[in-house]
Amino acid sequence: EVQLVESGGGLVQPGGSLRLSCTASGFPFSRYWMSWVRQAPGKGLEWVANIKQDGSEKSYVDSVKGRFTISRDNAKNSVYLQMNSLRPEDTAFYYCARDQTTAYYQYMDVWGKGTTVTVSS
Amino acid sequence: DIQMTQSPSSLSASVGDRVTITCRASQRIDSYLNWYQQKPEKAPNLLIYAATSLQRGVPSRFSGSGSGTDFTLTITSLQPEDFATYYCQQSYTTPMYTFGQGTKLEI
Repeated sequence: EVQLVESGGGLVQPGGSLRLSCTASGFPFSRYWMSWVRQAPGKGLEWVANIKQDGSEKSYVDSVKGRFTISRDNAKNSVYLQMNSLRPEDTAFYYCARDQTTAYYQYMDVWGKGTTVTVSS
Repeated sequence: DIQMTQSPSSLSASVGDRVTITCRASQRIDSYLNWYQQKPEKAPNLLIYAATSLQRGVPSRFSGSGSGTDFTLTITSLQPEDFATYYCQQSYTTPMYTFGQGTKLEI
């Protein structure tokens, strides 16, 4: 079964750090770009970051540049999101997703169940 | 940056109805447009990719159309399980993506 499982969420004070993990199973993890997408309480979806198959390319939404770092370990079938200098507006449910490519088109076809990050004093 | 605007923000419909949700991009994105369904407390689920291609396993009552800046998601003969929030997402600026604000489909 194709599956993504996130972990590492929790409550953290403003300015603090947290590291999210996402472990994949059921597919050749090293062949796919991977993304993180978040959803603030009662709000819509926001793409946060993604990473190329070999980790050589990474992209971020402007609001997290310089604070968040995406990485991966293909030997462990895992992708990570290191979140530093956290702000209350980073409070959200964080999803891990697989980036699929067909011809020239990209889309997120497998999603984890997500993990909650709360930034509050 | 490309902005994605969905309309309406919310929509009331009944079982058996045909509904259409619109997504407009702030600039041309060819067919780099995907649609997702999200039910409460659940992860999003891919419905349509490349504007018109139905994801495997998605019922054929869902369809997508459009190219350039204007896109639509159509659901024919609404079923009870279709009441959810729908998001469009552009991948023209890959690897960076943008979602629309969502359309909540209510009974």
